[in-house]
Amino acid sequence: NAGVTQTPKFQVLKTGQSMTLQCAQDMNHNSMYWYRQDPGMGLRLIYYSASEGTTDKGEVPNGYNVSRLNKREFSLRLESAAPSQTSVYFCASSEALHPYEQYFGPGTRLTVT
Amino acid sequence: KQEVTQIPAALSVPEGENLVLNCSFTDSAIYNLQWFRQDPGKGLTSLLLIQSSQREQTSGRLNASLDKSSGRSTLYIAASQPGDSATYLCAVELQFGAGTQVVVTP
Repeated sequence: NAGVTQTPKFQVLKTGQSMTLQCAQDMNHNSMYWYRQDPGMGLRLIYYSASEGTTDKGEVPNGYNVSRLNKREFSLRLESAAPSQTSVYFCASSEALHPYEQYFGPGTRLTVT
Repeated sequence: KQEVTQIPAALSVPEGENLVLNCSFTDSAIYNLQWFRQDPGKGLTSLLLIQSSQREQTSGRLNASLDKSSGRSTLYIAASQPGDSATYLCAVELQFGAGTQVVVTP
């Protein structure tokens, strides 16, 4: 049982380049989330998907887009990367939006130069 | 907007002491509160989830309490061990605190 998986684990981009972070869960969860974590800070919500076919903005959505490809997969796209997007990105899932436990992936460490 | 605060940002205790970690939040109308552990360079591991209707949850040496009226939760770790060294984060639904970095010295 893999839980929540994320690819890639590490990525270095130049300013202006684009990339997509992939996330998949095998727990049949309805809700999925993307967070970013910066040094000394807690996690901040970028986007979430309460159920298949829906997506909503979180606290820091600017510069990102998401796609809920199916119930298992939720991707995060940076269209034109900026140094301010250097961060560790975590994907999470839960059975439903509230009041259920979140399960996290191992993270993607992204550096934008 | 819900704000979640964890104080202190860091603490160090000798092995065997009990750990007390605090989490406060501004809006008492919550569904749940979750405590996580994060080791350096790793993802988050869920420790305990407390539903809004619950006052506490226990798992082994861990006990978490919830007082919605005062906007506080406390995570107790009994008889700390060096392996408990990590950063502990609390989340009120989708809003996270900045965490408390714990070092347990042998």
